[in-house]
Amino acid sequence: EADIYQTPRYLVIGTGKKITLECSQTMGHDKMYWYQQDPGMELHLIHYSYGVNSTEKGDLSSESTVSRIRTEHFPLTLESARPSHTSQYLCASRVGAGAGNTIYFGEGSWLTVV
Amino acid sequence: GDSVTQMEGPVTLSEEAFLTINCTYTATGYPSLFWYVQYPGEGLQLLLKATKADDKGSNKGFEATYRKETTSFHLEKGSVQVSDSAVYFCALSEGSGGYQKVTFGIGTKLQVIP
Repeated sequence: EADIYQTPRYLVIGTGKKITLECSQTMGHDKMYWYQQDPGMELHLIHYSYGVNSTEKGDLSSESTVSRIRTEHFPLTLESARPSHTSQYLCASRVGAGAGNTIYFGEGSWLTVV
Repeated sequence: GDSVTQMEGPVTLSEEAFLTINCTYTATGYPSLFWYVQYPGEGLQLLLKATKADDKGSNKGFEATYRKETTSFHLEKGSVQVSDSAVYFCALSEGSGGYQKVTFGIGTKLQVIP
């Protein structure tokens, strides 16, 4: 059972609002990730972190930003939400340096911007 | 670069039918290979994995064998149940040290009907 938590699970907000999606893991994992999952199911990596004070942009350009001030916490922020940001956002984490290490996912945050 | 190709869905099967979901990959090195499953409304969870050629991963009646010669990692189950209805993602991970890139396939939706 993975100990990685996302809040909120579901959110409907208006255009132009600022929103932060929270992600926390209690496994002490150094690596954390944010994926955007479109309605066609495909996953797109938008941000990742290798540890405290480390953040990098992923393969898909995103207007969101992330921070990693504590090992267990990796929040994602949208300063001004738009309808094009409507999607599911999945947070994940992973330990260590091995390519065979499992990635653990949270249950996802469904964001709808109206 | 790395890529994962899996069959498009949806795949619709009757209960107790045999399941195969094809997955092939391209990678520059020696990746680890994974199958993840996503049930409706949830995040992804690891189903099985294999970290070197000829390894067989298995879990909950599902199996997949890492075939380096055909660069494949096909998912199989001998007798599917309605509860297996979900989206299945093939993924690969490679790299060493601090950096491991993870590449996901597009996902294959499986529908099992009674």
